[in-house]
Amino acid sequence: QSALTQPASVSGSPGQSITISCTGTTSDVGGYNYVSWYQQHPDKAPKLVMYEVTNRPSGVSTRFSGSKSGNTASLTISGLQAEDEADYYCNSFRSSGTLVFGTGTKVTVL
Amino acid sequence: QVHLQESGPGLVRPSETLSLTCIVSDYSINSGYYWGWIRQPPGKGLEWIGSISHSGTTYYNLSLKSRLTISLDTSRNQFSLRLNSVTAADTAVYYCARDRGFGFQDYWGQGTLVTVSS
Repeated sequence: QSALTQPASVSGSPGQSITISCTGTTSDVGGYNYVSWYQQHPDKAPKLVMYEVTNRPSGVSTRFSGSKSGNTASLTISGLQAEDEADYYCNSFRSSGTLVFGTGTKVTVL
Repeated sequence: QVHLQESGPGLVRPSETLSLTCIVSDYSINSGYYWGWIRQPPGKGLEWIGSISHSGTTYYNLSLKSRLTISLDTSRNQFSLRLNSVTAADTAVYYCARDRGFGFQDYWGQGTLVTVSS
């Protein structure tokens, strides 16, 4: 069961915007609006920051936004802050009725 | 606020069975949604293991399906994972989570490290 493809690392300076991509196929990302994103700080459980491509859970900063085009979903963090430094994972529903995570992206705030 | 807590042995011998339980608080698991397991090998990414609906229907990662059982115990408001014939590759932090359906997990346990070693 192959993982969705994410860049290994993305970096930006405080206040800048960054975008993390998540590429799959027509059987997962491209075929459904069921992509979610998770933020994981070291030695902590993942935290949901986006679901169903563009929906932000209550309590998550409005600096986080999601989008999708074709087989690629994206998470954008605007006004980058030091607390945003973490690992980020996407997740998609797949036509087989299963779920699949992305390979993960390390975000560094310079 | 829903709380989930994993419990089980931290060390399992190769070829034996890994068994974990997730105790759910402040939400009745037979009220709805799905209940899932995700794991993360040390220094690596997340892997979806499988989930079970509130009515007992299971969904498994195809690469683990032959070794995997996820079950519900509604009387104790908990759900469980059993993974047979483990190897060192099954060493990971195991998380339980509530899945709202179609793949988004809104509440997670803190995770428990399971090491497979003789």
